[in-house]
Amino acid sequence: GEDVEQSLFLSVREGDSSVINCTYTDSSSTYLYWYKQEPGAGLQLLTYIFSNMDMKQDQRLTVLLNKKDKHLSLRIADTQTGDSAIYFCAGRFNNNDMRFGAGTRLTVKP
Amino acid sequence: TAGITQAPTSQILAAGRSMTLRCTQDMRHNAMYWYRQDLGLGLRLIHYSNTAGTTGKGEVPDGYSVSRANTDDFPLTLASAVPSQTSVYFCASSVREDAEAFFGQGTRLTVV
Repeated sequence: GEDVEQSLFLSVREGDSSVINCTYTDSSSTYLYWYKQEPGAGLQLLTYIFSNMDMKQDQRLTVLLNKKDKHLSLRIADTQTGDSAIYFCAGRFNNNDMRFGAGTRLTVKP
Repeated sequence: TAGITQAPTSQILAAGRSMTLRCTQDMRHNAMYWYRQDLGLGLRLIHYSNTAGTTGKGEVPDGYSVSRANTDDFPLTLASAVPSQTSVYFCASSVREDAEAFFGQGTRLTVV
């Protein structure tokens, strides 16, 4: 959606780090989320960050939030072929409905 | 635990026909949502319900209706399908309206 923007494609080699970026227009969201969608499946919550945090780390995942620039990123360390999926950035904005970006298709090459 | 279940998994529907997409959750979540997923557009909210007995319009509500007679069920109805409603439809729920959402597996609908 136009409230949340992501680039559509990212390709990396196995073992490299992946960085997926997201920008948003509305700063009212209390939480910002990253969802993962594997082929033929629904979305699964990967991680989230509270809006008053700058960074959150969870194993191979690092989320960075720059509220001033309204920029959110997801870094996946040591990317594996099993990480190949579509990654959605999302936030709860006006009326609490969750708005999603268009999704970034991550392809991991062996 | 089933979580959130959608039915059918896929459907081909003639234009002008009506159809109801079913969604059931067993997590006792208050809030439920319907999204459609289209290539390059991500997920767009069709309708939502913050609690049983209430519903609200999302980003793209035209051509769709919902009801929330109880906590568990949130059916989505297309009264007269059109080809532009060809999409993958996802139902989701969250324990409250400001919490993370859990998604069903999706219903792939093709209107011909």
